[in-house]
Amino acid sequence: DSGVTQTPKHLITATGQRVTLRCSPRSGDLSVYWYQQSLDQGLQFLIQYYNGEERAKGNILERFSAQQFPDLHSELNLSSLELGDSALYFCASSAGHDWYGYTFGSGTRLTVV
Amino acid sequence: AQKVTQAQTEISVVEKEDVTLDCVYETRDTTYYLFWYKQPPSGELVFLIRRNSFDEQNEISGRYSWNFQKSTSSFNFTITASQVVDSAVYFCALSEAGAGSYQLTFGKGTKLSVIP
Repeated sequence: DSGVTQTPKHLITATGQRVTLRCSPRSGDLSVYWYQQSLDQGLQFLIQYYNGEERAKGNILERFSAQQFPDLHSELNLSSLELGDSALYFCASSAGHDWYGYTFGSGTRLTVV
Repeated sequence: AQKVTQAQTEISVVEKEDVTLDCVYETRDTTYYLFWYKQPPSGELVFLIRRNSFDEQNEISGRYSWNFQKSTSSFNFTITASQVVDSAVYFCALSEAGAGSYQLTFGKGTKLSVIP
């Protein structure tokens, strides 16, 4: 167990729908990172939050949004889903000051049908 | 912009053979970090190594070894005496140290199949 918890593990939904993926970071970690792993794009960075504030943005679609709550858990919201959004979504957390303890969760596998 | 290239898409070896996975990176920063991750069929990402740009010493950990050469912008990974449990997709990744964000740029991965 890495200490980073992602729920749900699997999600199947229809095109056009909206889903929310949840990430609970390791205890004490202030930073949360979201990554998408798809067949087309490989593993790519989406967005980072640090202590509730957006810190960095990668190749995140406008249909996607994220937030980090006061208890430091984070949610990734995916809307108007398309078949191409089917992917494995990873969350990682770290203390935020350096690479110490940078840890990935086990991922949420999203299937859009 | 930073970029990681893993030219080998798939490699198959027979058990007990040695295998080297190649990684070439591009960055404009002088301070950066390089990583290798393993993704077994179960899907999780397993951290193998982190190396910063100022440390060109090669590293050995059991059957695993890494060769970092700044002159050729390469960070290659060798598995000695491969085992079936080594079958996985291996990712090389890069992070530039600036801006306070520790985001990773991944290569496309190399799928290693070790045949018994």
